[in-house]
Amino acid sequence: SQQGEEDPQALSIQEGENATMNCSYKTSINNLQWYRQNSGRGLVHLILIRSNEREKHSGRLRVTLDTSKKSSSLLITASRAADTASYFCATDKGGGGNKLTFGTGTQLKVEL
Amino acid sequence: KAGVTQTPRYLIKTRGQQVTLSCSPISGHRSVSWYQQTPGQGLQFLFEYFSETQRNKGNFPGRFSGRQFSNSRSEMNVSTLELGDSALYLCASTVSGGNTEAFFGQGTRLTVV
Repeated sequence: SQQGEEDPQALSIQEGENATMNCSYKTSINNLQWYRQNSGRGLVHLILIRSNEREKHSGRLRVTLDTSKKSSSLLITASRAADTASYFCATDKGGGGNKLTFGTGTQLKVEL
Repeated sequence: KAGVTQTPRYLIKTRGQQVTLSCSPISGHRSVSWYQQTPGQGLQFLFEYFSETQRNKGNFPGRFSGRQFSNSRSEMNVSTLELGDSALYLCASTVSGGNTEAFFGQGTRLTVV
């Protein structure tokens, strides 16, 4: 079963605009990760934020985590056509090993 | 450094047959996890192998099995294929313990007819 929901399910913006995606999850976590997937291919890791962190940046990406609300957001600034992809959040509950529970994903389309 | 390699990339099988998928992790990575992705169920965790032992298991029937070899390469097997097993199967490798990023392969697209 999936850990939670992502919102919105689909997002269409113009190049240069910012894109914000939200992720909600259900149980306590060790960390939360964001991945990108282009057209049914493999997943590319974007950023990992640990449960004791509130915000993290990587290039044009900014991730926030609110463990009290069990939610996270991914902001992509100054979007490009190449950012067109599906974005997934994934949670790691800890307890040993590597077992990620994925959200439902947001399909982002960046138009020229 | 080579990435995660999954073979084959595409497979077409008939209902009732069995299939074996292969995953070679990044050199030095000892953990391999498998995921199934379908339009209806999304991305779901199948199992994880670490040092040739299954460390975590998802909620899939016993028809789905896997193993890991001493060089960390992993295989997953699906027996008695059903139409609903049609999916993209993704393999992920991580260094060892949890709390680290996972690196995914390009996946094997399995179609059951």
